[in-house]
Amino acid sequence: DGGITQSPKYLFRKEGQNVTLSCEQNLNHDAMYWYRQDPGQGLRLIYYSQIVNDFQKGDIAEGYSVSREKKESFPLTVTSAQKNPTAFYLCASSQGRTNEKLFFGSGTQLSVL
Amino acid sequence: AQSVSQHNHHVILSEAASLELGCNYSYGGTVNLFWYVQYPGQHLQLLLKYFSGDPLVKGIKGFEAEFIKSKFSFNLRKPSVQWSDTAEYFCAVNARGRGSTLGRLYFGRGTQLTVWP
Repeated sequence: DGGITQSPKYLFRKEGQNVTLSCEQNLNHDAMYWYRQDPGQGLRLIYYSQIVNDFQKGDIAEGYSVSREKKESFPLTVTSAQKNPTAFYLCASSQGRTNEKLFFGSGTQLSVL
Repeated sequence: AQSVSQHNHHVILSEAASLELGCNYSYGGTVNLFWYVQYPGQHLQLLLKYFSGDPLVKGIKGFEAEFIKSKFSFNLRKPSVQWSDTAEYFCAVNARGRGSTLGRLYFGRGTQLTVWP
């Protein structure tokens, strides 16, 4: 089945630690996105990538980093600079600028110990 | 920056009741509009979208939404809800123009719909 796989489902971070969330897609989509979901706040865009080896900051990029070395993979690192990392993180993909919808993964819940 | 407002945080209905979820956005230019739905335990998925043309758009499972440009609104409706419609519903907006990407959506805070059988 084609889709987006996010792992792990649950992740715990210690103070001062960097953690990486995985996102893999086998839809052959060009564009990939990371959103953060907080209760009562909807989804906010962290980073997005429209093509391999290129990515842009979204609206809340501070404290996060990404890479796009392969078309199918778009990992998100939550760095120690992110002071409030506890949230639900969603990865999405789309065919590109002409695609009409996003496909979402099942999400990763990150919590701070 | 764009913003999207969903005024109802939690809506509780009985089966067969009619549904209308409000969505307003703040952006003066041309927009693409979406409703996404997240059923319990499932991925977020597209319910319906508006890009251009007929402002009344129909989506899956009997949902429809009407784009009213003068009111900056894109309300979601369903004449008769079912228990299986229990889910969280998100309105989203994307500004059209050079450099825009469809994935750069601005989402509302979401509305949790609970339908009692």
